[in-house]
Amino acid sequence: DQQVKQNSPSLSVQEGRISILNCDYTNSMFDYFLWYKKYPAEGPTFLISISSIKDKNEDGRFTVFLNKSAKHLSLHIVPSQPGDSAVYFCAASGGSQGNLIFGKGTKLSVKP
Amino acid sequence: EAEVAQSPRYKITEKSQAVAFWCDPISGHATLYWYRQILGQGPELLVQFQDESVVDDSQLPKDRFSAERLKGVDSTLKIQPAELGDSAMYLCASSRDRTGADYGYTFGSGTRLTVV
Repeated sequence: DQQVKQNSPSLSVQEGRISILNCDYTNSMFDYFLWYKKYPAEGPTFLISISSIKDKNEDGRFTVFLNKSAKHLSLHIVPSQPGDSAVYFCAASGGSQGNLIFGKGTKLSVKP
Repeated sequence: EAEVAQSPRYKITEKSQAVAFWCDPISGHATLYWYRQILGQGPELLVQFQDESVVDDSQLPKDRFSAERLKGVDSTLKIQPAELGDSAMYLCASSRDRTGADYGYTFGSGTRLTVV
């Protein structure tokens, strides 16, 4: 049973517009959430994270929102750029082990 | 910028052969992880080390997979014998401490394994 779900396998957005990537989780013990970006044939690159005690975290063009009651988080990219085209993974962590549980990813395509 | 080094980048092997992957984490990172990513899926944890000790290997298929981190620095993941279903990207990551989520893991570039 998937604990972290990214229900949209792909998303296409026009350059300059907003990209919104969504993620749902089932485990209420998760207390830290991260977004990773991955290009083909490369390892994932850390983008932004959020602790469960917050509901928003911003870093430049990237903002992550957390709705704990709905067990939902989203990544907003504004404005979207063609270089943002990649697969985005949502990941969650909880407890003392620290290992991450990943979603299946969403492939973002930003068209010029 | 410090990197996690992995080798080889690509490996093609015949089924039933042995294969090994190497990872050198960022200097000073006590926690090391091996993940496997099958195409179209997210990375899944195989094994987690804290220094030289295994913290979690519950998802490691121990009949064919083994992992070691003898001196608490670099690590080797071995598959013997390889099966067709082992074809995947094998990713190594490291973090400063056990609660790696606080800082985000740093991943290596991965090893793309193809079993034929």
